[in-house]
Amino acid sequence: GIQVEQSPPDLILQEGANSTLRCNFSDSVNNLQWFHQNPWGQLINLFYIPSGTKQNGRLSATTVATERYSLLYISSSQTTDSGVYFCAVVSVGAQKLVFGQGTRLTINP
Amino acid sequence: DAGVIQSPRHEVTEMGQEVTLRCKPISGHDYLFWYRQTMMRGLELLIYFNNNVPIDDSGMPEDRFSAKMPNASFSTLKIQPSEPRDSAVYFCASSLGALKETQYFGPGTRLLVL
Repeated sequence: GIQVEQSPPDLILQEGANSTLRCNFSDSVNNLQWFHQNPWGQLINLFYIPSGTKQNGRLSATTVATERYSLLYISSSQTTDSGVYFCAVVSVGAQKLVFGQGTRLTINP
Repeated sequence: DAGVIQSPRHEVTEMGQEVTLRCKPISGHDYLFWYRQTMMRGLELLIYFNNNVPIDDSGMPEDRFSAKMPNASFSTLKIQPSEPRDSAVYFCASSLGALKETQYFGPGTRLLVL
């Protein structure tokens, strides 16, 4: 099955810093989503982005499908951005959303 | 819209007991998914339904697990008998359309089997 690798596994930053999270996948995909799991465990959709670039406030994402990676950018980090960020994909011809292991982001005040 | 609703939010039970988790998907969504999250295995799909019909249950760990969707607004995941290794957070998600669409997750049920 498809492999999804996220990096870095952990990231600790000061409030106000910018960050880039990466998701590599091993096969062509027709669905890619970024989620934020907050400290209370809630999984929140950030982006549905199988290709191209999207922006939502301080967050933006880019997926380069031909090179099999996606990037999540967080600018001017806030403490509320802390949590685990997951990338999840559905490979072409498959039926399951496969999650990476996540990047744990800690924003210190 | 209230989003995906799950109950209970927390469940503590003893080994051997039956556990039933419940989910109400977002109105109008025709796909419903059950996931399990553990430290060791991360987030993994257990089963999903399309228009109330189970499509893929290959992720269900064993026969102790069963899921039903009697109508478009309700689904259950049952574990009988439960074991300590079933302790995990169980998420329900729903989406409109096929697997190329955004999945929306419920708040999860945190299950502890003693």
